[in-house]
Amino acid sequence: EDQVTQSPEALRLQEGESSSLNCSYTVSGLRGLFWYRQDPGKGPEFLFTLYSAGEEKEKERLKATLTKKESFLHITAPKPEDSATYLCAVQGNTGANSKLTFGKGITLSVRP
Amino acid sequence: NAGVMQNPRHLVRRRGQEARLRCSPMKGHSHVYWYRQLPEEGLKFMVYLQKENIIDESGMPKERFSAEFPKEGPSILRIQQVVRGDSAAYFCASSPSVEQFFGPGTRLTVL
Repeated sequence: EDQVTQSPEALRLQEGESSSLNCSYTVSGLRGLFWYRQDPGKGPEFLFTLYSAGEEKEKERLKATLTKKESFLHITAPKPEDSATYLCAVQGNTGANSKLTFGKGITLSVRP
Repeated sequence: NAGVMQNPRHLVRRRGQEARLRCSPMKGHSHVYWYRQLPEEGLKFMVYLQKENIIDESGMPKERFSAEFPKEGPSILRIQQVVRGDSAAYFCASSPSVEQFFGPGTRLTVL
């Protein structure tokens, strides 16, 4: 069974204080690892897909990286508007199963 | 291009009533997924559908829950005889192939 563990559960940063969010996973054949952002009362917003170890993707202050066991979401010089819950999910490549298995998320608060 | 649409956004039902949740995928997307998010829990997969076909329903409770994605019209998640434990946010996602894009969700409250 695919599993995703995210840590820490919550993270409080000062504006401009860079940090990383961790996502550890086990999956029987990785088709893709996904990062989403979720604001309170809203649906998850797609950020990145990573397909293979060593891959990196960037968008504004966010950079996602992938190894064979974990992924990191690096946040450089965060701003208060980056406050949200960040979700990590994996998709296996066994058969026709393309469901996403999510972690519980990391709630990020950025103080001005 | 409009995003994934879900309605209603909020739904209140009394125990024993039926709940119908609707999802219109993004234009050109033929894959639809339903997920449930309970308080303090992560998103949990329920069912994956393509037009007129259920591809994977391994996350659906065995009783009271059903889903369809007809040839015409939105996908429907139906919950019969709701119980308080069904209270949750239900999200629909659509996909053209790999990435899944989520709707705003339907928040179901069972009194």
